[in-house]
Amino acid sequence: AQSVSQHNHHVILSEAASLELGCNYSYGGTVNLFWYVQYPGQHLQLLLKYFSGDPLVKGIKGFEAEFIKSKFSFNLRKPSVQWSDTAEYFCAVITADRGSTLGRLYFGRGTQLTVWP
Amino acid sequence: GAGVSQSPRYKVAKRGQDVALRCDPISGHVSLFWYQQALGQGPEFLTYFQNEAQLDKSGLPSDRFFAERPEGSVSTLKIQRTQQEDSAVYLCASSLAGLAGDPYEQYFGPGTRLTVT
Repeated sequence: AQSVSQHNHHVILSEAASLELGCNYSYGGTVNLFWYVQYPGQHLQLLLKYFSGDPLVKGIKGFEAEFIKSKFSFNLRKPSVQWSDTAEYFCAVITADRGSTLGRLYFGRGTQLTVWP
Repeated sequence: GAGVSQSPRYKVAKRGQDVALRCDPISGHVSLFWYQQALGQGPEFLTYFQNEAQLDKSGLPSDRFFAERPEGSVSTLKIQRTQQEDSAVYLCASSLAGLAGDPYEQYFGPGTRLTVT
């Protein structure tokens, strides 16, 4: 089975600090990559996704992520966080080779981000 | 427009009881996924439907778990003889398509929190 690792379980930052959340996956073939966010009391929402092309992808609310194939990584970044970014962030992967399981997402265990005003 | 809805939002069951969890996907979405999220963990895949066909049920943890989508829209996840380890949030997601490589995101519902006492 594929695995997705998120290195930080809980990150605490002050407003305006820079953010980088790590994500590594184990699959050696073609992948589609996602970051989902869950704000307090809300459901999972897509933050950004990578399917192909430019490995640096930009998402909503100023977030971006970089796919580095050689490192099996898809780290999430934001130059300056806000209090409203407090949420849980999940990295997820779909294996995209022919014959791979259709569309199922493999999730990391999540990183809780707390931003102090 | 309406998103994915799930009912009930909360369910408390006594050990040994049967439960049924409902998912209403976004209208027109072909693919439907069920995930289980234990406390402090990321969602884990349970099963996948494309229209009414259940194409992958490899994530169902035991034969006590059963899912159906008889008309290709609403889906029900049924858990028979519930056990304490079944306590989790059950998430439903729908997508326009489910094939790996399709650039369609999965839209998640709010989940049903099941507590087995």
